Amino acid sequence: GEDVEQSLFLSVREGDSSVINCTYTDSSSTYLYWYKQEPGAGLQLLTYIFSNMDMKQDQRLTVLLNKKDKHLSLRIADTQTGDSAIYFCAEKVRWVGGSQGNLIFGKGTKLSVKP
Amino acid sequence: GAVVSQHPSWVICKSGTSVKIECRSLDFQATTMFWYRQFPKQSLMLMATSNEGSKATYEQGVEKDKFLINHASLTLSTLTVTSAHPEDSSFYICSARDRANTRNEQFFGPGTRLTVL
Repeated sequence: GEDVEQSLFLSVREGDSSVINCTYTDSSSTYLYWYKQEPGAGLQLLTYIFSNMDMKQDQRLTVLLNKKDKHLSLRIADTQTGDSAIYFCAEKVRWVGGSQGNLIFGKGTKLSVKP
Repeated sequence: GAVVSQHPSWVICKSGTSVKIECRSLDFQATTMFWYRQFPKQSLMLMATSNEGSKATYEQGVEKDKFLINHASLTLSTLTVTSAHPEDSSFYICSARDRANTRNEQFFGPGTRLTVL
């Protein structure tokens, strides 16, 4: 079945780059997403990449997609304390049960930024 | 744009009572809304998919008689937790898909924290 894996924790120093990795299983995924969840809050869409791209840059965020290995990464340049949050990788699958075009989420990577 | 609200943001109720959670798309029409449940330190688990004007599609293991979903308009879906028990305590998050968005992105609400005593 569909599965998305992420490492659970990442700790970096302020100003360093953070790289959060994710692997997914459904090769037919059309879009892959990165969401940010701050404590007690809902999910905020950070960025996404279409499956026919291998890189997307958006200000401090760089998404790399290796479709052959089904590996997705999110790089945050010049990480700030305000970036501390849980980051979820999600893939959009074509069909899950009775629902079409749903998102499958990883368990989330908790990013801690130390001053 | 693309704002989704949820009400209430938190609720405490007694065991055996029912609780209704609203999910609204504020500035777009959502033909499809999704309801997720998130346990502490865990990922989001999709509970059901709600299509405007039709019955919701529930994921395996989710009791449709316990979690009643109504999607009566293009901007409102409700989740009612009936006869709530302490094990229903969780963070419930909805998302909405903008039908005008060709990427079919989902926009998430801020979540509702339910505590059942």
